[in-house]
Amino acid sequence: DTGVSQDPRHKITKRGQNVTFRCDPISEHNRLYWYRQTLGQGPEFLTYFQNEAQLEKSRLLSDRFSAERPKGSFSTLEIQRTEQGDSAMYLCASSWRTGRAREQFFGPGTRLTVL
Amino acid sequence: QQPVQSPQAVILREGEDAVINCSSSKALYSVHWYRQKHGEAPVFLMILLKGGEQKGHEKISASFNEKKQQSSLYLTASQLSYSGTYFCGTEGSLGSQGNLIFGKGTKLSVKP
Repeated sequence: DTGVSQDPRHKITKRGQNVTFRCDPISEHNRLYWYRQTLGQGPEFLTYFQNEAQLEKSRLLSDRFSAERPKGSFSTLEIQRTEQGDSAMYLCASSWRTGRAREQFFGPGTRLTVL
Repeated sequence: QQPVQSPQAVILREGEDAVINCSSSKALYSVHWYRQKHGEAPVFLMILLKGGEQKGHEKISASFNEKKQQSSLYLTASQLSYSGTYFCGTEGSLGSQGNLIFGKGTKLSVKP
C-alpha cells in the first residue's frame, strides 16, 4: 500500500524564479487536495481536483499559483515569480469520495524556501 | 471561520489522559482530526460526521456535538508516541467537498 508521495521534498529557489511541485496520490483515490502550511499554523486549503477536473481554485493565493491534474492521476502545483512570502510547506492529500466525507491522506510535503 | 482549538498546549506524563477541543462559530458537517509530528505530514486519526457516523483509530475516541458546533478528542493512557501537534479540520457543509479549514493546533508533549 503506497501512500501519497511528493517530489521534491525540499526546494530552495531565488526570488523571481518559477517552481513546480509534483504529487502522486493513492492510486484509487479520485480526490486530490493541495494545502499550504506555515510554521505554527494548520494546513491552509488551496485547491482540489476530482479526477482531472479542478473544482475549486478561488482559494489559490494569487494568480501566480496554478495547479493541474492532466490525466486524473498525479498533480502539479506551480508558483511563478516566487516571493519570500511563498516560503512554506506545500502539502498534498488524497481521498476517495463519492458523497459523504472521507478521510484525507497527506503526503510528506515539499518544503519551499525562497531566498 | 477558522475553528478554535483548546488548549494551545498540554504536557502530560505517560499514562495520563487528555482532552483536546475544537469549536466553530458555524454549523459543521464533518470534523477531521490529525496528528502531526515535527517535520512530518499530518496523520489521519478520526473523522466525525453530522448524524453520528465516526471512523478512526481504535485507541482514540472523539465526540461531535452538532448543536454546539464542537468536537473533542479524547486521548487516554497517553504514550510517548502520542506527542505531536493535533489539528482539527472542519467542513461546514456537504457542499464543501472536503475543503477543510484547520485550527491552529494543540501541541501535546508526553513525558516519561
